[in-house]
Amino acid sequence: SYELTQPPAVSVSPGQTASITCSGDKLGDKYTSWYQQKPGQSPVLVIYQDNKRPSGIPERFSGSTSGNTAALTITGTQAMDEADYYCQAWDRNSYVFGTGTKVTVL
Amino acid sequence: QLQLQESGPGLVKPSETLSLICTVSGGSITATSYYWGWIRQPPGKGLEWIGTVSYRGATYYNPSLKSRITISVDTSKSHLSLKLTSVTAADTAVYFCATFRETDIDRWGQGALVTVSS
Repeated sequence: SYELTQPPAVSVSPGQTASITCSGDKLGDKYTSWYQQKPGQSPVLVIYQDNKRPSGIPERFSGSTSGNTAALTITGTQAMDEADYYCQAWDRNSYVFGTGTKVTVL
Repeated sequence: QLQLQESGPGLVKPSETLSLICTVSGGSITATSYYWGWIRQPPGKGLEWIGTVSYRGATYYNPSLKSRITISVDTSKSHLSLKLTSVTAADTAVYFCATFRETDIDRWGQGALVTVSS
């Protein structure tokens, strides 16, 4: 089965840039989405189709992809961005999630 | 605005069947732009896709769960349902109902915690 790997944790200072990676075989050939999940809440879609932001998602969230790796970048990270982040790809009629990354804003 | 609300028993005994309902409001469950489905998250762990269904009944299931799950749509009630048979403690999780687009999941319910325990 298809697998997506993320670093377990990323730390960032307020105002700095956080980058979260997601690796999977030939991931660049698929669309990657990203979800933010705060404690006790449902996930929220923050990036879809690699680099598109849904309505209402701040511009500081951006996505990119290259080769086997996708990345979510948070520019000018704010305290409110502290959350778990999951990547997701669609592969052979299955929605596959990454292992998740906890972003801590120190 | 489309809203999703999960409901069902919060406690299920081992070997029994977990049954959940997702009520769709503020929009049509027959919308052709969406698939409907379920995702779960064990306590303190990551997200796992369970399966999706179109309003016409076409289904896609997680291969690891396929033998135990049934997802269906009742258009007359605007309900989406999930049945998971022969549950074990490993099935303890928050179960989310969601709307699926071709490549992503754009709307999630609040989630329902189901505990499998005797």
